[in-house]
Amino acid sequence: ILNVEQSPQSLHVQEGDSTNFTCSFPSSNFYALHWYRWETAKSPEALFVMTLNGDEKKKGRISATLNTKEGYSYLYIKGSQPEDSATYLCAFCSNDYKLSFGAGTTVTVRA
Amino acid sequence: ETGVTQTPRHLVMGMTNKKSLKCEQHLGHNAMYWYKQSAKKPLELMFVYNFKEQTENNSVPSRFSPECPNSSHLFLHLHTLQPEDSALYLCASSQVGLGNEKLFFGSGTQLSVL
Repeated sequence: ILNVEQSPQSLHVQEGDSTNFTCSFPSSNFYALHWYRWETAKSPEALFVMTLNGDEKKKGRISATLNTKEGYSYLYIKGSQPEDSATYLCAFCSNDYKLSFGAGTTVTVRA
Repeated sequence: ETGVTQTPRHLVMGMTNKKSLKCEQHLGHNAMYWYKQSAKKPLELMFVYNFKEQTENNSVPSRFSPECPNSSHLFLHLHTLQPEDSALYLCASSQVGLGNEKLFFGSGTQLSVL
């Protein structure tokens, strides 16, 4: 099991504010980095799969960056809305195709 | 709707019971997975099936027994479980296998072992 750390564990954001949080992973044997959004009582849903150092992905108000050399990825939420409330999971895929998940960052957007 | 259906959504069982969790995917994927989520812990991979063949068994106790009769269905047979096995069990599928292929998850089965 590889060490994938997400911080903070939880955060509260005022509606309309922007926020970001981190996923740290091993800087060796990198193959891909996944981000998933997991809303309460629903299934985890894939947001991004990132493979290249310097990659930036965007989906609506959510974006992610990737630094494979130093082993971190940031997820940004711009202008948070209540529907952004969820747990955001990152998963590191090593080059033997094994996926290791972080414990998640739980975001609560206050109206 | 993710295309991956799990039943039941909730299950309460005694330590001497035998039960099965069912997963079905309607996405035409060729890989299926069982994950376990215990409280406050990361998702933990249990089993992987590629093309109906088990390719990963992550040191899971034998009281958990997977079955993959075809590429669309996956079962997890449970027997003589322990209270510490209480957790959320998630099924997922993907095309080809792990890598840059994203996972599609079911809604999970919340299992309580008394």
